[in-house]
Amino acid sequence: QKEVEQNSGPLSVPEGAIASLNCTYSDRGSQSFFWYRQYSGKSPELIMSIYSNGDKEDGRFTAQLNKASQYVSLLIRDSQPSDSATYLCAVTFNSGGGADGLTFGKGTHLIIQP
Amino acid sequence: GAGVSQSPSNKVTEKGKDVELRCDPISGHTALYWYRQSLGQGLEFLIYFQGNSAPDKSGLPSDRFSAERTGGSVSTLTIQRTQQEDSAVYLCASSPHTRGVLNTGELFFGEGSRLTVL
Repeated sequence: QKEVEQNSGPLSVPEGAIASLNCTYSDRGSQSFFWYRQYSGKSPELIMSIYSNGDKEDGRFTAQLNKASQYVSLLIRDSQPSDSATYLCAVTFNSGGGADGLTFGKGTHLIIQP
Repeated sequence: GAGVSQSPSNKVTEKGKDVELRCDPISGHTALYWYRQSLGQGLEFLIYFQGNSAPDKSGLPSDRFSAERTGGSVSTLTIQRTQQEDSAVYLCASSPHTRGVLNTGELFFGEGSRLTVL
């Protein structure tokens, strides 16, 4: 069973602080990891992708990958109210399955408090 | 157009009726996906098209669901004899990346078609 687990939240973070979102996955052979942001009533939008262990930074966003521990995280620095959304973790499983095994977690609802 | 276009944006139908949902992917994108998202739930994979290859239908929940992609571009998802549990937002996504490459999961989503079955 290919699983991607996220805490559903809501995760409440004060404006200006660092928001930390976590995701674990079940398949040790997974190679591709993605973070999508979904505003209420809107469709998901890709914000980060990461393929190797370590950190990847893009503006206020940092994705962190630890394949040995099978987790991937997303850090949002200097959180803004506009960051309030649901963040979906997606993982590509290489043992087959639909869409090359791309599986989404159920998402973490993030609320940035002004 | 610049993005993935879906129609209709909203569809209300009666139980037992058939519905068709349309997706026009980004020009040049060879991969096309259909997902379903129920209220408060994650994305459920339905079907995947890659160019002119046979589609991956492994996510379709029942034989009432079918999809086609004509000419490698526009796709139509058809739900026959709709049931109340079919009520959801149906999302289409496209990608320029083929299956098996690292960035295969970099998808561009349309705004979705909200289906309500009464």
